Amino acid sequence: DAGVIQSPRHEVTEMGQEVTLRCKPISGHDYLFWYRQTMMRGLELLIYFNNNVPIDDSGMPEDRFSAKMPNASFSTLKIQPSEPRDSAVYFCASSEPGGSGNTIYFGEGSWLTVV
Amino acid sequence: AQRVTQPEKLLSVFKGAPVELKCNYSYSGSPELFWYVQYSRQRLQLLLRHISRESIKGFTADLNKGETSFHLKKPFAQEEDSAMYYCALLDTGRRALTFGSGTRLQVQP
Repeated sequence: DAGVIQSPRHEVTEMGQEVTLRCKPISGHDYLFWYRQTMMRGLELLIYFNNNVPIDDSGMPEDRFSAKMPNASFSTLKIQPSEPRDSAVYFCASSEPGGSGNTIYFGEGSWLTVV
Repeated sequence: AQRVTQPEKLLSVFKGAPVELKCNYSYSGSPELFWYVQYSRQRLQLLLRHISRESIKGFTADLNKGETSFHLKKPFAQEEDSAMYYCALLDTGRRALTFGSGTRLQVQP
């Protein structure tokens, strides 16, 4: 398996624009997580899904952020409108049910810069 | 509420010196703890999980429930060990990881 795949790897956008980040989890994994990494706040859990259903979105910072998982192999994180403080690395991760000792596997991240 | 604390932001050692990266946790249940490593501008990679009691790249970590600690140790540091190290606690109810703030390890030649 190629692991968790994220796109784009890097994005620079202007304030006010819509940003869509994409994630393909590892095949067979039924949990999918979106994390945000910043210098100030470290790694924060934004939202996670189980069997394509959002379970906990309490980490989503505000209504400008939304996430969807239309099927088991695809998820999106959308920011609309984007602001400079959204600049961060966004990681997608997935895990399998009870396997691998509950190990969570991460993608390479999407590096977002909002100017 | 669960919490993971990594008290050191930066740990700098010389090649060949012993390394100990500290991690303390608070959790009301039975904890599952992990160490992840992040090399420069790369993904987080699993280094260790306490239930496996394994040694990866010479690193070990022992869960001490009395001291609520899960310190990462290596007897002889190598330059290629330079990276960010994150301690993480799995909330088995939510199936999500809570991370510490991370410690940057610098191994100097």
